[in-house]
Amino acid sequence: QLQLQESGPGLVKPSETLSLTCTVSGGSISSDYWGWIRQPPGKGLEWIGNIYYSGSTYYNPSLKSRVTISVDTSKTQFSLKVNSVTAADTAVYYCARAAATVRRAFDVWGQGTMVTVSS
Amino acid sequence: EIVLTQSPGTLSLSPGERATLSCRASQSVSSSYLAWYQQKSGQTPRLLIYGASSRATGIPDRFSGSGSGTDFTLTISRLEPEDFAVYYCQHYGSSVWGFGQGTKVEIK
Repeated sequence: QLQLQESGPGLVKPSETLSLTCTVSGGSISSDYWGWIRQPPGKGLEWIGNIYYSGSTYYNPSLKSRVTISVDTSKTQFSLKVNSVTAADTAVYYCARAAATVRRAFDVWGQGTMVTVSS
Repeated sequence: EIVLTQSPGTLSLSPGERATLSCRASQSVSSSYLAWYQQKSGQTPRLLIYGASSRATGIPDRFSGSGSGTDFTLTISRLEPEDFAVYYCQHYGSSVWGFGQGTKVEIK
């Protein structure tokens, strides 16, 4: 059974870089798209970006200038970096799979990790 | 950039009633790439519907999706107590994904 698990610091200072990793277990990362979604407290879901297993990346235009997603298939991990963070980047960050079998919907999600931007 | 607008913002209904949730796109969306999710308080979103009308694995048949072009609908035929939650629509197209702002289905 495919499982995803986010990891990374829960507290990041303003203007610094937020870095998270998603570890995929119970299945292969060498297919499909893998994505990051975030949810500020009390608000809705915001797509951040996706990466194809081969390394092609796709970003939300509103975040593109600050976001980098990468993949390491040998470690079955993919990662997110958001630079120059502000309080507006405080959110629960989810990693998820966008599978071809469900028409690129997000069918498997990590449990989410809360990241707070504060000095 | 396609914007998804969901309505109503909040739907107040009683168990056993029918719920009809709307998702309208700012431009035409391929129905192949329209999905619906359920998120209960404090939980991870769960995929309900993909391809506008196909139920994901394990989703009860009281959940159904329909629509095409710019107008899509999620219907819950008879609300069960566990169905009170927030629902999001989501699209994929031209290498971009996006979510609607959500509809909260609350107990009346």
